[in-house]
Amino acid sequence: EDQVTQSPEALRLQEGESSSLNCSYTVSGLRGLFWYRQDPGKGPEFLFTLYSAGEEKEKERLKATLTKKERFLHITAPKPEDSATYLCAVQPFETSGSRLTFGEGTQLTVNP
Amino acid sequence: ETGVTQTPRHLVMGMTNKKSLKCEQHLGHNAMYWYKQSAKKPLELMFVYNFKEQTENNSVPSRFSPECPNSSHLFLHLHTLQPEDSALYLCASTSGPGNIQYFGAGTRLSVL
Repeated sequence: EDQVTQSPEALRLQEGESSSLNCSYTVSGLRGLFWYRQDPGKGPEFLFTLYSAGEEKEKERLKATLTKKERFLHITAPKPEDSATYLCAVQPFETSGSRLTFGEGTQLTVNP
Repeated sequence: ETGVTQTPRHLVMGMTNKKSLKCEQHLGHNAMYWYKQSAKKPLELMFVYNFKEQTENNSVPSRFSPECPNSSHLFLHLHTLQPEDSALYLCASTSGPGNIQYFGAGTRLSVL
């Protein structure tokens, strides 16, 4: 069974304090790794998709990295508005109907 | 209106009521999904529809009945629910495997 584990469960940072969120998974073959941001009471908002080892994508203060061993979402010099829950999801090759398996998320709080 | 729209945003129902959740996507996608999000749990896939045909039912109890009259609209009919069914119900759509799933804002359901 496909499984996604995110760590840490919760992370408190001071404004400007950089850190990384980790996503680990067990799938037989990865079609894609997805990162979403979710604010309280709202649906997940798409951030990045990574498809192959060595791929990196950036958006403002966020950088997503996928290597053979590491899957990180790095946040550089965060601001309070970056506070949200960050969700990692994987889509295996064998999936039908574009099934995504999600982790529980990392709840990020950035204090001013 | 753009994106994925869900109505109602909030719903309170008794265990003997019958209600329906509605999802509409304006993205021209051909696949639509229902997910359930409970506190401290990952998003759980419930149903998948491709070109109006149900392609996946993730062992969902029969008190949840989906309907997809066309590629733009998706309904979730609810009857004789249990208090443990209280959760955020999210609708998503995509244009195909490996592509981004776009989510609606969700319906917060409380079953009394």
